[in-house]
Amino acid sequence: AQTVTQSQPEMSVQEAETVTLSCTYDTSESDYYLFWYKQPPSRQMILVIRQEAYKQQNATENRFSVNFQKAAKSFSLKISDSQLGDAAMYFCAYRSAVETSGSRLTFGEGTQLTVNP
Amino acid sequence: DAGITQSPRHKVTETGTPVTLRCHQTENHRYMYWYRQDPGHGLRLIHYSYGVKDTDKGEVSDGYSVSRSKTEDFLLTLESATSSQTSVYFCAISRTASGNTIYFGEGSWLTVV
Repeated sequence: AQTVTQSQPEMSVQEAETVTLSCTYDTSESDYYLFWYKQPPSRQMILVIRQEAYKQQNATENRFSVNFQKAAKSFSLKISDSQLGDAAMYFCAYRSAVETSGSRLTFGEGTQLTVNP
Repeated sequence: DAGITQSPRHKVTETGTPVTLRCHQTENHRYMYWYRQDPGHGLRLIHYSYGVKDTDKGEVSDGYSVSRSKTEDFLLTLESATSSQTSVYFCAISRTASGNTIYFGEGSWLTVV
């Protein structure tokens, strides 16, 4: 079974600064997908960014980028120019590419990000 | 918005009573999921469905059952609610088994007293 670990329960960053959230995962599969979801106080789960394991290029979405290290099974999220609206719980998630598994998402425990003005 | 509606959004119930949560989607997606979210555990999969009348267990399925009689509806039932089932429940949908993003509903807050 796959596992996802987020070793930082809480992080803080000054507005306009850069912060990196860590995520590691364990899998024996070679093809899979990785996601970062943001959960603000409203509890809505919002997709931030996704990465296909077969792609070597790191995904980028505006101020959000990832550092995907497949051999190390590491998938960190970098938030540049942090804004007050970035304050939220961030979840790293793994999804198998194998259809027979139901391709459910496996989540880490989350990192609570605080943005200080 | 991904066209997912959960009902009820908030519910308080007594221990031992049955409870059914409903997830309704307008996207005609094949895959539907029920997760629960508790402090320190992230989101954990309860059950999922890969088609009408096709369901399977997730990692925390004890005490829960599901049904899917139509593509658009996925029901989660707590046969006899316990205080340990107090949680936030999320429904999610996906068009395919891989590749496509999984989209989430807004959550249902359940308190068992």
